[in-house]
Amino acid sequence: GEDVEQSLFLSVREGDSSVINCTYTDSSSTYLYWYKQEPGAGLQLLTYIFSNMDMKQDQRLTVLLNKKDKHLSLRIADTQTGDSAIYFCAEIAQAGTALIFGKGTTLSVSS
Amino acid sequence: GAGVSQSPSNKVTEKGKDVELRCDPISGHTALYWYRQRLGQGLEFLIYFQGNSAPDKSGLPSDRFSAERTGESVSTLTIQRTQQEDSAVYLCASSLDRKNIQYFGAGTRLSVL
Repeated sequence: GEDVEQSLFLSVREGDSSVINCTYTDSSSTYLYWYKQEPGAGLQLLTYIFSNMDMKQDQRLTVLLNKKDKHLSLRIADTQTGDSAIYFCAEIAQAGTALIFGKGTTLSVSS
Repeated sequence: GAGVSQSPSNKVTEKGKDVELRCDPISGHTALYWYRQRLGQGLEFLIYFQGNSAPDKSGLPSDRFSAERTGESVSTLTIQRTQQEDSAVYLCASSLDRKNIQYFGAGTRLSVL
């Protein structure tokens, strides 16, 4: 079945780069997404990538997609304490309706 | 409205009581989704509405869960005879149509005592 896997925790120092990794199973996914969730808040869309792309850059964020390995990563350059949050990777379900989410990676940034 | 609005933001109820959660989608968004997020978990899909089509209820965990939406407006998620395992954050999202980006509300945190 469809599944999205992420590592659960990542700890970095302020100013370093953070890389959050995700693997997915549905090779027919057309879009893959990264959402950010701060404590007590809903999910905020950070960025997304279309499946025919292998890289997308948006300011401090870089998304890399390896379709062959079904691997998605999110790199945050110059990580700040305000980046501390849970980051969710998601793909569109095969039926094209709901999103399938990973369990989220908790990013902790220390100063 | 400016974003997806959910109410209440927090709900504490006793086991066995019914609860109703509300979602106001972004104006003009035809698709509306309900998800459940248990503590430390990702989001589980519950139900999806697209315009006036029959909803996709494939994610509802039991017949105690139901949802309604009239046209392209407000949706309510009802949980009957709540159980402690229903405790979670219930998130609503809307999108222009099923292929578009989903925008999420802040959620309703449900605690069943």
